[in-house]
Amino acid sequence: DGGITQSPKYLFRKEGQNVTLSCEQNLNHDAMYWYRQDPGQGLRLIYYSQIVNDFQKGDIAEGYSVSREKKESFPLTVTSAQKNPTAFYLCASSTPGTNNYGYTFGSGTRLTVV
Amino acid sequence: AQRVTQPEKLLSVFKGAPVELKCNYSYSGSPELFWYVQYSRQRLQLLLRHISRESIKGFTADLNKGETSFHLKKPFAQEEDSAMYYCALPGPAGGTSYGKLTFGQGTILTVHP
Repeated sequence: DGGITQSPKYLFRKEGQNVTLSCEQNLNHDAMYWYRQDPGQGLRLIYYSQIVNDFQKGDIAEGYSVSREKKESFPLTVTSAQKNPTAFYLCASSTPGTNNYGYTFGSGTRLTVV
Repeated sequence: AQRVTQPEKLLSVFKGAPVELKCNYSYSGSPELFWYVQYSRQRLQLLLRHISRESIKGFTADLNKGETSFHLKKPFAQEEDSAMYYCALPGPAGGTSYGKLTFGQGTILTVHP
């Protein structure tokens, strides 16, 4: 069953800690994306990667880091430098250049700073 | 820079009433546009895309280049249409943002019985 899996579903972080959110896909998609969803602000792009071993900053990359060592995986680290990390994080994948730009989204991770 | 604007954060209608969710964009060139939907406790998913000119779940959207709009419409709303709706615009082909979607702020649609 193909899809995109995010884990964990809920994550609690203490002040000053780094945490890593997992995103795995078995859709053979080339591109992967991380978005942050906040009420009233829609989806804002954090980082994206169009191919393995390459990634670009999105609109709100400060305080976040990513890696793309495998096509299937695109983990997001929320560092202690991120001033307001409490949010819902969505991972997506796609294959640009096909007739379908449609993204496949994961079910999300809700991060709360305690 | 490309931009997507959804002016209404919240939209409430009664069952059977027509509904229109507004989306305006700024883009140089010929855009492709999408509507995504997120039902309660479900993943965000593609509802329809401009290029295929399809009707999904009774929803349609027409690209109006003169008004730079891509409003989502349904003639008779149903309770199960209650959800968060996002309008989205991809980066231009050949550019560095190719494949990257810019989303609007989202509109929460509530259909009352």
